[in-house]
Amino acid sequence: TQLLEQSPQFLSIQEGENLTVYCNSSSVFSSLQWYRQEPGEGPVLLVTVVTGGEVKKLKRLTFQFGDARKDSSLHITAAQPGDTGLYLCAGPDSNYQLIWGAGTKLIIKP
Amino acid sequence: GAVVSQHPSRVICKSGTSVKIECRSLDFQATTMFWYRQFPKQSLMLMATSNEGSKATYEQGVEKDKFLINHASLTLSTLTVTSAHPEDSSFYICSARDSTTAARSYEQYFGPGTRLTVT
Repeated sequence: TQLLEQSPQFLSIQEGENLTVYCNSSSVFSSLQWYRQEPGEGPVLLVTVVTGGEVKKLKRLTFQFGDARKDSSLHITAAQPGDTGLYLCAGPDSNYQLIWGAGTKLIIKP
Repeated sequence: GAVVSQHPSRVICKSGTSVKIECRSLDFQATTMFWYRQFPKQSLMLMATSNEGSKATYEQGVEKDKFLINHASLTLSTLTVTSAHPEDSSFYICSARDSTTAARSYEQYFGPGTRLTVT
C-alpha cells in the first residue's frame, strides 16, 4: 500500500521567515502534486512534479521531487500571511486515484 | 480552463431527509469524477470513484446505499446523501479528471466543496 507521510502537521511562524514542508514515501510515485486549500474551499493545484530531481518554482514557493521519486518538498521563502492555508501533497496510484498526505496546516503571523 | 463547480455550496437539512450535491466540469469532459469527504483540519478521504455510464466504485467502509452516485453525462456527477443523520455533516468535495489530456490524466481538478449540516 502506497502511503504519503507529510510533515510537519502544523506550523506557525512569523511573516518573513522561511519554511519547508516534506512529503515522504517508501514507494515510488510517477508524479507528486502539491495543493493548497483554504477553509471552506476545495484544494487548488499548485504544481505537479514528474521527473526525479525536478525543481519547480512558483514565485516564493520552490518544489522539489526527490531523485528516486519517493519524496518531495515545498520550500517557502519570506512567508507572508497570504500563504496561510492547508498544504497537501498527493500522488496517483496505479488506478489514477490520488493518495493524500495528511496535510500541513500553515499559519503565517503578521 | 479546468473548472469544476459544485452546487450547492452550503446546505442545511433535517435528519432523515435526502440531499443531492452536483459536481460539474465546466470546460472539459470528465469520464471519471471523485467524491471526497473532509473533516475539520484533516486531509481528504476518498469516498468513491464515479465513472460515466457505469456504477461507481466505493471505498471500503462507505455505504453505497447511503451515498448514491450518478454520473449520467461527461460533465455531471451527483452525490445523494440519503436519510441523512447528524454524523453525515461534513465537507464534501468532488474532483474531475480531464479525459482528453491523456498525458496528464493523473491530475484532478477540484470543486469548491459543499458544506452539509444535518440537524
